[in-house]
Amino acid sequence: DSGVTQTPKHLITATGQRVTLRCSPRSGDLSVYWYQQSLDQGLQFLIQYYNGEERAKGNILERFSAQQFPDLHSELNLSSLELGDSALYFCASSRTSENEQYFGPGTRLTVT
Amino acid sequence: AQSVTQPDIHITVSEGASLELRCNYSYGATPYLFWYVQSPGQGLQLLLKYFSGDTLVQGIKGFEAEFKRSQSSFNLRKPSVHWSDAAEYFCAVGPRIFKAAGNKLTFGGGTRVLVKP
Repeated sequence: DSGVTQTPKHLITATGQRVTLRCSPRSGDLSVYWYQQSLDQGLQFLIQYYNGEERAKGNILERFSAQQFPDLHSELNLSSLELGDSALYFCASSRTSENEQYFGPGTRLTVT
Repeated sequence: AQSVTQPDIHITVSEGASLELRCNYSYGATPYLFWYVQSPGQGLQLLLKYFSGDTLVQGIKGFEAEFKRSQSSFNLRKPSVHWSDAAEYFCAVGPRIFKAAGNKLTFGGGTRVLVKP
């Protein structure tokens, strides 16, 4: 158990819908990262937050957004969902003094 | 731009045999290197990491990896594989220090390991 929690574990929804994925980092970790894992793209970095502020963006679509709240949990919002958004979405967290990232169990999103 | 290559998509190994997974990276500075393992239906678990110092690093589950700067490689090894080692293994590279501008990890495509009885 990495100490990073993600909810829900599975999500099935229809095209055009909007969903929210939630992540709680390890205790004491200020940074939260979101990654997408799909069969065709592999593991891709989406976005990083540090202590509530966005710090880096990767291959994140405009339909996707994220935020980190004062209690340091983070949410990834995916809207106008398409079939191609079906993937495993991971959250990771790390401490400032080091850059090891610990991953949560992931949320499997299926868009039908 | 940084990149990680894992040349072997699949590897099949007999239980008790040795295992070596290859990883080559391209990075602008001296990187922080990681190996993660993903069991079926599970998240990513950190196996080991190389930051500095001894280029042979030990990790969990009996794995070790060797950093070779001249070859830009960070290969993962295990002397004797167990059936429970069947999983997908990912090599990753990231910045060595926490940077204000971001600390993303770049992952290789993964190597799926199948263990034969």
